[in-house]
Amino acid sequence: EVQLVESGGGLIQPGGSLRLSCAPSGFTVSGNFMNWFRQAPGKGLEWVSVIYNDGSTHYADSVRGRFTVSRDNSKNTLYLHVNNLRAEDTAVYYCAGGPNSDYWGQGTLVTVSS
Amino acid sequence: EIVLTQSPATLSLSPGERATLSCRASRSVSTYLAWYQQKPGQAPRLLIYDASNRATAIPARFSGSGSGTDFTLTISSLEPEDFAVYYCHQRANWPRTFGQGTKVEIK
Repeated sequence: EVQLVESGGGLIQPGGSLRLSCAPSGFTVSGNFMNWFRQAPGKGLEWVSVIYNDGSTHYADSVRGRFTVSRDNSKNTLYLHVNNLRAEDTAVYYCAGGPNSDYWGQGTLVTVSS
Repeated sequence: EIVLTQSPATLSLSPGERATLSCRASRSVSTYLAWYQQKPGQAPRLLIYDASNRATAIPARFSGSGSGTDFTLTISSLEPEDFAVYYCHQRANWPRTFGQGTKVEIK
């Protein structure tokens, strides 16, 4: 059974940084498309970033230059480095894997507030 | 950016009824459209990919159709566990985008 587990969220002040992690089981980050999505409280889903098998990446305009997606193949872990956080970045962040984002984690909450 | 518009915003139906959800794209996404179901406090679940392919373990009562700019998700006979929010999502162009969601609620 495939499971993805996110961690690293929390309460952070505006301008701060965090590193979100996604650790799958039954699934390899290096062999799959891996996406990050987010959902602000009470709102809809928003795509954030993707990293492909070949290591190429894409970002939403709202996070480009502030967020960086990476992976550590030896640890089979996906990361999202989030910098210069703003109040509007407050959301549950989900990682998802597979060509159609077939598998999702349970999400990790990032709250940006002073 | 491709805008996905879902209708209706809310669908009030009874168990056993048929649900028809619409997703319209601002320009063609070919068949690169997926549908997700989300229940309160849970992560989204993939139902349909590439417009009409059911994901693994998704019941046959869920079906998707369409291409280009107009897509439909049909639930042939609603079960109690189907009451949730449904999102369409395109992967044809950057940035990837979602519709705003359709809530299927119990009438």
